[in-house]
Amino acid sequence: GDSVTQMEGPVTLSEEAFLTINCTYTATGYPSLFWYVQYPGEGLQLLLKATKADDKGSNKGFEATYRKETTSFHLEKGSVQVSDSAVYFCALRSYSGGGADGLTFGKGTHLIIQP
Amino acid sequence: ETGVTQTPRHLVMGMTNKKSLKCEQHLGHNAMYWYKQSAKKPLELMFVYNFKEQTENNSVPSRFSPECPNSSHLFLHLHTLQPEDSALYLCASSQEGRGVTDTQYFGPGTRLTVL
Repeated sequence: GDSVTQMEGPVTLSEEAFLTINCTYTATGYPSLFWYVQYPGEGLQLLLKATKADDKGSNKGFEATYRKETTSFHLEKGSVQVSDSAVYFCALRSYSGGGADGLTFGKGTHLIIQP
Repeated sequence: ETGVTQTPRHLVMGMTNKKSLKCEQHLGHNAMYWYKQSAKKPLELMFVYNFKEQTENNSVPSRFSPECPNSSHLFLHLHTLQPEDSALYLCASSQEGRGVTDTQYFGPGTRLTVL
């Protein structure tokens, strides 16, 4: 079955540091890939997505590139802020051909940014 | 109201109680989902509804009973729960079909505690 593996953390960085959160996946076919973010006490918000190989998703300074050859979708940001402190989830969606499909999530990476 | 709303936000119940969680999406989507987020596990897909028809039941115990009366509303009926069912229950919706994005939008969740 499908699976997503990501570093769990917590990852603690200083403000303005470079961020990388690794994500690798196992899936049949050609899944879509997503990064979601969860702030304390809230639900999940879509951060970015990519639907095919070599696509780059980007939003709010975050980027991730769909690498089929390495089955990876690493999240990066050049300069993090305290407000980026949250839990980040990597997820994939395979397509069964039957309509709606659920997402498969990694365990989440807790990111802490210190001023 | 905008997006995906869930009520109640917090619920405490005994093992013999019966309660229901409600989800409403204001996005005009045609698919809805229930996910469970436990402290030590990845987010788990529970149920999928596509055009009001249940298309997936991810081996969920019968003490959880979903209901989707129309494409905007989704319920999760709970009875005879166990303490290990304590978790954050997240609802999501998406628009499925050709030529549309398949991003799932999440509600804020219901924090359930079973005593």
